Amino acid sequence: AQKITQTQPGMFVQEKEAVTLDCTYDTSDPSYGLFWYKQPSSGEMIFLIYQGSYDQQNATEGRYSLNFQKARKSANLVISASQLGDSAMYFCAMREKNTGNQFYFGTGTSLTVIP
Amino acid sequence: EAGVAQSPRYKIIEKRQSVAFWCNPISGHATLYWYQQILGQGPKLLIQFQNNGVVDDSQLPKDRFSAERLKGVDSTLKIQPAKLEDSAVYLCASSIAPLPVSTEAFFGQGTRLTVV
Repeated sequence: AQKITQTQPGMFVQEKEAVTLDCTYDTSDPSYGLFWYKQPSSGEMIFLIYQGSYDQQNATEGRYSLNFQKARKSANLVISASQLGDSAMYFCAMREKNTGNQFYFGTGTSLTVIP
Repeated sequence: EAGVAQSPRYKIIEKRQSVAFWCNPISGHATLYWYQQILGQGPKLLIQFQNNGVVDDSQLPKDRFSAERLKGVDSTLKIQPAKLEDSAVYLCASSIAPLPVSTEAFFGQGTRLTVV
């Protein structure tokens, strides 16, 4: 079974609008962390935001926020006030405490910001 | 602070040839990862090092791939002989430690390998 599922291969958003990128995960480990990374065309993965399984509040980092719904096993990324520079691939990833601490990645969502 | 350095950025080889990729992690980072990212897919872990020891290499095709991390710093990933399906971006990442789970990984820009 896939540990991370991203069902949106591509998304478009108007500049200055908000957009939500979906991510669902599968784990039985009570201790895990969820990450979002941005991958521009240059190739490197840029860390955006982190949510821990025991965190009571949704994580926020500037224009990025994470809509964490633990019971539904979803961790959607919300980007507010989209900018042209936000156009990139976005990957959701998970680490589990009990499985060697590797990062499991989803297949990614390609976001295009339209001027 | 310098980031994760990888070289070369691009490499084109013929099938059955060999190739090597180099990674210099962030100073002080004990954990180093090599990921393979095939076009249109998310990164897949090939091997994880903790200092100079292997933590996980369960998804490394050991008949053709090898990796080492001498002295617990730089790492080299080798493919010999290469196949067409090895065409991908090879990403190196490092983190200060494997735990806690909140520890983020920092990625290099990757090496784009094309096997023809």
